[in-house]
Amino acid sequence: KQEVTQIPAALSVPEGENLVLNCSFTDSAIYNLQWFRQDPGKGLTSLLLIQSSQREQTSGRLNASLDKSSGRSTLYIAASQPGDSATYLCAAGDMNRDDKIIFGKGTRLHILP
Amino acid sequence: KAGVTQTPRYLIKTRGQQVTLSCSPISGHRSVSWYQQTPGQGLQFLFEYFSETQRNKGNFPGRFSGRQFSNSRSEMNVSTLELGDSALYLCASSLVPSGSFDYGYTFGSGTRLTVV
Repeated sequence: KQEVTQIPAALSVPEGENLVLNCSFTDSAIYNLQWFRQDPGKGLTSLLLIQSSQREQTSGRLNASLDKSSGRSTLYIAASQPGDSATYLCAAGDMNRDDKIIFGKGTRLHILP
Repeated sequence: KAGVTQTPRYLIKTRGQQVTLSCSPISGHRSVSWYQQTPGQGLQFLFEYFSETQRNKGNFPGRFSGRQFSNSRSEMNVSTLELGDSALYLCASSLVPSGSFDYGYTFGSGTRLTVV
């Protein structure tokens, strides 16, 4: 059964630092992995989508990597800013499940000014 | 290009009532999925519709139902509301069913339902 885990659940870092958020999944039979951002009380904003055949995707200060063999994905945020404060969720597209996309519980990120 | 639109944004209902939530997907998207988000359980899959047919259903009681119209707009209905149904309900649209290989999901801003 596919499980997606994000550790830590919460993270605080000073403004300007580079940081890495982690996402692990138990079954490598995924067809994609997507990172989302969620602001309090709001919906999810898609940040990056990595297809299973890809190793990484980049968008501005964000870089997401995917290593299916180790069951890991990371989201790298360069030069963090207070506006980056939000909850970051990863979601694995799993062909073997009816619901197809399995979410982690998220990492709540706080950037200290 | 308009995003995914969910209405209403906020709802307060009393136990035992029923509620209908609406989701309009991105133009051209034919797949709509619904999720319930609570602090304790995170995001839980409710169901997915594609071309007016329910393709998949999560592990929720029969009080939760949905439908999709020919213009791809979707509604979900919850009958006999319980306090535990208080949550943020999110819908996501995708070009093809279940996200598929090349396309991810685009989420709406959600409907915050409070049951008192």
